[in-house]
Amino acid sequence: QVQLVESGGGAVRPGRSLRLSCAASGFTFSAYGMHWVRQAPGKGLEWVAAIWFDGTYEFYADTVTGRFNISRDNSKRMLYLQMDSLGDGDTAVYYCGRDKGLFGDVVVDWGQGTLVTVSS
Amino acid sequence: DIQMTQSPSTLAASVGDRVTITCRASQSISNWLAWYQQKPGKAPKVLIYKASDLESGVPSRFSGSGSGTEFTLTISSLQPDDFATYYCQHYNSYSSRTFGQGTKVEIK
Repeated sequence: QVQLVESGGGAVRPGRSLRLSCAASGFTFSAYGMHWVRQAPGKGLEWVAAIWFDGTYEFYADTVTGRFNISRDNSKRMLYLQMDSLGDGDTAVYYCGRDKGLFGDVVVDWGQGTLVTVSS
Repeated sequence: DIQMTQSPSTLAASVGDRVTITCRASQSISNWLAWYQQKPGKAPKVLIYKASDLESGVPSRFSGSGSGTEFTLTISSLQPDDFATYYCQHYNSYSSRTFGQGTKVEIK
């Protein structure tokens, strides 16, 4: 079955960087778009970034554009999120998600999430 | 970015009730809309995509409708397992994707 396992979360000071990873198994990774979605404590879902199945296109929420970068390595079945210039507003559980198709539209499978805490 | 606004923010209902949640887009999004259900401490689960297509395995009491800027999620007969928070999401393969702020369905 589909498994998505996030790693790389933790506590970080404001202004610093962090890289999240998501290991995928149970499906043909190179045939699906992928997402990062986050949820601040007690708040709603916020879509963060998506990437096409082949990495051709990347898309970002306005709140992270210019600071975050989504990437994938289809040979390793890995999804990444490089997060720079982190601020308090980036504190959240970050979920890795598999898309229903090629282009990163609808998330049909989710990881368990990894917590990122930005605090001085 | 397109803004998605859900109403109500909270809804109290009883088992067996018909429940309707509305999602409005700040501009026309055709039928590029999905609905998700999330229970506390769990990852979300997609219920509906393309405004009205039921995801495989989702009970038929869930239905979606709408196009353009106004959409609804309807639960025809609320079951105990349906008490959760529901989110709409706009998506477009060539631009950003946006969630609504969520609607919590509580026990009356």
